[in-house]
Amino acid sequence: GIQVEQSPPDLILQEGANSTLRCNFSDSVNNLQWFHQNPWGQLINLFYIPSGTKQNGRLSATTVATERYSLLYISSSQTTDSGVYFCAVMASGGSYIPTFGRGTSLIVHP
Amino acid sequence: GAGVSQSPRYKVTKRGQDVALRCDPISGHVSLYWYRQALGQGPEFLTYFNYEAQQDKSGLPNDRFSAERPEGSISTLTIQRTEQRDSAMYRCASSSMGRGEQYFGPGTRLTVT
Repeated sequence: GIQVEQSPPDLILQEGANSTLRCNFSDSVNNLQWFHQNPWGQLINLFYIPSGTKQNGRLSATTVATERYSLLYISSSQTTDSGVYFCAVMASGGSYIPTFGRGTSLIVHP
Repeated sequence: GAGVSQSPRYKVTKRGQDVALRCDPISGHVSLYWYRQALGQGPEFLTYFNYEAQQDKSGLPNDRFSAERPEGSISTLTIQRTEQRDSAMYRCASSSMGRGEQYFGPGTRLTVT
């Protein structure tokens, strides 16, 4: 099956710093989502982005499907950005089974 | 509108008991997925439905796990004869179509003692 690797596994930032999270995948995809799992365990949708670039406030994401990676940018980080960020993909073809990466754990200090 | 809801939010059960976990998807969503998430890991696929039809159950760990969605809306994940290794967060997600954006419920934290 498709492999999904996220980096870095852990990230510690001071409030106000910027960061880039990466998601690499081993095969072509036609569905890619970024989620934020907050400290209370809720999975929150950030972006549905199988290709292209999207922005939502301080967050933006870019997926380069031909090169099999996606990037999530967090600017001017806040303590509320803390949590785990997951990338999830569905491989192109007949499979409708999502595969999640192991996540990037982010801690933002005040 | 209402999001995905799951019940119960927490369940503690003794080894050997059966448990039923419920998922109520976003109204009108065709696809419904079940996942299991261990601590420090991403969600792992268990099974999914389009309408009332179970399309893929390849992620169910063994035959103690089953799921149904009889009227194409609410779904139940049942675990028979629970074991301690079944302890995890069980999550449900729905989407308007198979490859569409998925929306997750709050999850059910299952603890088997």
